[in-house]
Amino acid sequence: KAGVTQTPRYLIKTRGQQVTLSCSPISGHRSVSWYQQTPGQGLQFLFEYFSETQRNKGNFPGRFSGRQFSNSRSEMNVSTLELGDSALYLCASSKEGAVDTEAFFGQGTRLTVV
Amino acid sequence: GEDVEQSLFLSVREGDSSVINCTYTDSSSTYLYWYKQEPGAGLQLLTYIFSNMDMKQDQRLTVLLNKKDKHLSLRIADTQTGDSAIYFCAERDSGNTPLVFGKGTRLSVIA
Repeated sequence: KAGVTQTPRYLIKTRGQQVTLSCSPISGHRSVSWYQQTPGQGLQFLFEYFSETQRNKGNFPGRFSGRQFSNSRSEMNVSTLELGDSALYLCASSKEGAVDTEAFFGQGTRLTVV
Repeated sequence: GEDVEQSLFLSVREGDSSVINCTYTDSSSTYLYWYKQEPGAGLQLLTYIFSNMDMKQDQRLTVLLNKKDKHLSLRIADTQTGDSAIYFCAERDSGNTPLVFGKGTRLSVIA
């Protein structure tokens, strides 16, 4: 079956702009989580959506937001981009109720802010 | 808050065993994971262990958990050059809580 798909793979944006990233989870998975990966901070949790509702939220400013659609696809938005937002953004999907609670990751979207 | 610590680098010779260590602080961690990240790729789940287990073996991979010391290790037997990657330790309290990751251990395999 198809894995987690993230689009686009690469993005270059200018400071002050806004950006939207997309994540399509594995079919049947209802939970989507977003992580930011940077060399200095490692992997940091942004937020998680389950059945179109935000279930968990990390410690990121309000410029970072997300949503989930009825087909479980998720988008995250970053407004007023800063240079420090340059990172690899990873999305993970999970199947609610699975005994092993595995999270499957996409390949990520690499965002560069110039 | 929750914290997961890993050493940053490990270098081994091809054919040797690699042992990657991880410590965590959250005593309520229920699930512990090892992920692998190759250059330019996302994270691949290698294996996981429940906190009520001491050991799990899966082909060349052996996970050891010392719950008392909150110490987790991943042993890779007969390490190959294709095992060169960054390995992340992660924990979560339940299936509904976020994964908390360590900063990753970069494994270099020397031929």
